[in-house]
Amino acid sequence: DTAVSQTPKYLVTQMGNDKSIKCEQNLGHDTMYWYKQDSKKFLKIMFSYNNKELIINETVPNRFSPKSPDKAHLNLHINSLELGDSAVYFCASSPEGGFALYEQYFGPGTRLTVT
Amino acid sequence: GQQVMQIPQYQHVQEGEDFTTYCNSSTTLSNIQWYKQRPGGHPVFLIQLVKSGEVKKQKRLTFQFGEAKKNSSLHITATQTTDVGTYFCAGPSGTYKYIFGTGTRLKVLA
Repeated sequence: DTAVSQTPKYLVTQMGNDKSIKCEQNLGHDTMYWYKQDSKKFLKIMFSYNNKELIINETVPNRFSPKSPDKAHLNLHINSLELGDSAVYFCASSPEGGFALYEQYFGPGTRLTVT
Repeated sequence: GQQVMQIPQYQHVQEGEDFTTYCNSSTTLSNIQWYKQRPGGHPVFLIQLVKSGEVKKQKRLTFQFGEAKKNSSLHITATQTTDVGTYFCAGPSGTYKYIFGTGTRLKVLA
């Protein structure tokens, strides 16, 4: 069983389109995250959710809207895609993120290419 | 804002040579984590260090947390081709937030 899964694995789309990425974890974790990894491999946090509630929004443009329907799912919707949104997006989860003391489990990533 | 830098950015070694990556934070960290990302893969947790001066070993990997809790290192003895990948350190920045280091890409030449 995959601990953290993401769909789709690859996403190729044109500028201006709207797209969604889905994430599910079967680890029973309370906290979930979205990260963006750019072409230089820099890994930057975008959002943190704890028990379905948004905790961290790391100055991400409003075009990005996360949604957590329940503790096991965290989706990411992106409106009006821009070239600069091209990156690999990773979902992650941890048992509890309050003091960042627990290891994070990452999903396989979604490679988004905006043309 | 808080920054976590790693050096070197890239490292090519001959198989069997040792490798070290260094992680430096602009602020004191309560703990530090290390992750490995294989080419085309996702970050995988390796270890967490919590105590000042702590040293932990995992087979050929040795992790160290600095006395001031602002730096850390990962040393690999006798690298193998399976060690190829990018190594990240990560530290907490407040609650529910990790800052990842800039990463060190390791290439091992057979």
